[in-house]
Formats: sequence, C-alpha cells, structure tokens
Amino acid sequence: EAEVAQSPRYKITEKSQAVAFWCDPISGHATLYWYRQILGQGPELLVQFQDESVVDDSQLPKDRFSAERLKGVDSTLKIQPAELGDSAMYLCASSLNSQGNYGYTFGSGTRLTVV
Amino acid sequence: AQTVTQSQPEMSVQEAETVTLSCTYDTSESDYYLFWYKQPPSRQMILVIRQEAYKQQNATENRFSVNFQKAAKSFSLKISDSQLGDAAMYFCAYRSYMEYGNKLVFGAGTILRVKS
Repeated sequence: EAEVAQSPRYKITEKSQAVAFWCDPISGHATLYWYRQILGQGPELLVQFQDESVVDDSQLPKDRFSAERLKGVDSTLKIQPAELGDSAMYLCASSLNSQGNYGYTFGSGTRLTVV
Repeated sequence: AQTVTQSQPEMSVQEAETVTLSCTYDTSESDYYLFWYKQPPSRQMILVIRQEAYKQQNATENRFSVNFQKAAKSFSLKISDSQLGDAAMYFCAYRSYMEYGNKLVFGAGTILRVKS
C-alpha cells in the first residue's frame, strides 16, 4: 500500500538552530499538507500546496518557518531559528486533489524536540 | 471559521463492548465532510470513517458507525465489539466543500482505552 514518507522520524535540536523536515507524498497526489500537532492536541494546518503552489499558509509563522515544493512532488519544511515552543509532531499528508471526501493519507510524522 | 469540539478527553471500554465517542462542530456551511481518524501510539494517523453532509444515511465501516445529526451539528462515532487494537487517540475532523482552503479542522482528540 502506498505511503507518505517522512524523515527524520525524530529530531532533537538546540534552541536557535536550524532544522528541516522532508516529506514525499503518494505518487500522483497533487495536494500536500504540513500539520503541526502539539502533544495532547489535534493537528493544525501550517501550509497546503496544490502542486508547487502554496494555497494556504495563513497559520505558518513566516518569520521562522518556510516550506517549499519546488517540482510539485516532495516537500521540505524548515524552521530557523528553532524555539522551545516549536517542540511538536510535524505531520505531512497528501491527497489526490484538493476536493473530494477522501480525507488525507498521513505520514508517520517527525517528532521535534527543541532543547 | 469552523471549529470542532470533542468533550471527552478520555474514554474506557471493556473488550467486546460498545463505546461512543462524541463530537460537535460549528459551521455556517451547508455542504461539508466529516471524518474520524485514529492515531495509535507512535503510529501514523489513519482514516476510520467519513460522512458527507448532504447524505442523510449514517456511514458504516465494519464495526465502526456514525450518528450524524446535521441540525444539531453532532457527529458521534460508535465502536462495536471493541478490540484491544482499537486503543488509540481518536480525532474528529471537519472539511469544507470549497475547492481551495479546505483544510481538515481537527478536534482535540479522545483517548480510547480498551480493557481486557
């Protein structure tokens, strides 16, 4: 069964350092999402891509976070500089398109700890 | 903006019994989708069941069924014949019918514990 690949699985970084996460969606999925899940809470959308274009980044802290999907396939989410409050699970998900009731397929996530 | 509320932080059920997880939502839209996702400990989130708001019939997937009350904006999940593998965090989620900006909005989740 096709999966959304994410790496690394775990990341520990020091405050003020840069960190990056990678996501490879299911082949052919045009829509890619990055979510942040703070422990004990539901995920919240950071950024949504349709192919290589950003369609929603209203909740992305743009002073420190950036995201790209240059060729409309895999994607990278970067944080620079990391802050203690960024400790969370970062989930990537993809869907065939931006419509429909099929929900998303999620990756296993990257658990970030900022010390 | 849409909001999703799960009022039960934690629920317990005896193996083989039935449990219902509650979810309410707030929206001004008439067409939308609702989902229940399961997130086992340290494992990825998977879709359990989905419901389209324009369908009056409640969705069913094997042991999982929903009670969708559109007027009350309620979307509860019933798990029948509970199994140890059902233990997980369950999230209720809302998705707009719009073409863009239709992100999933999640509730805070309900931890389900299954006792043997």
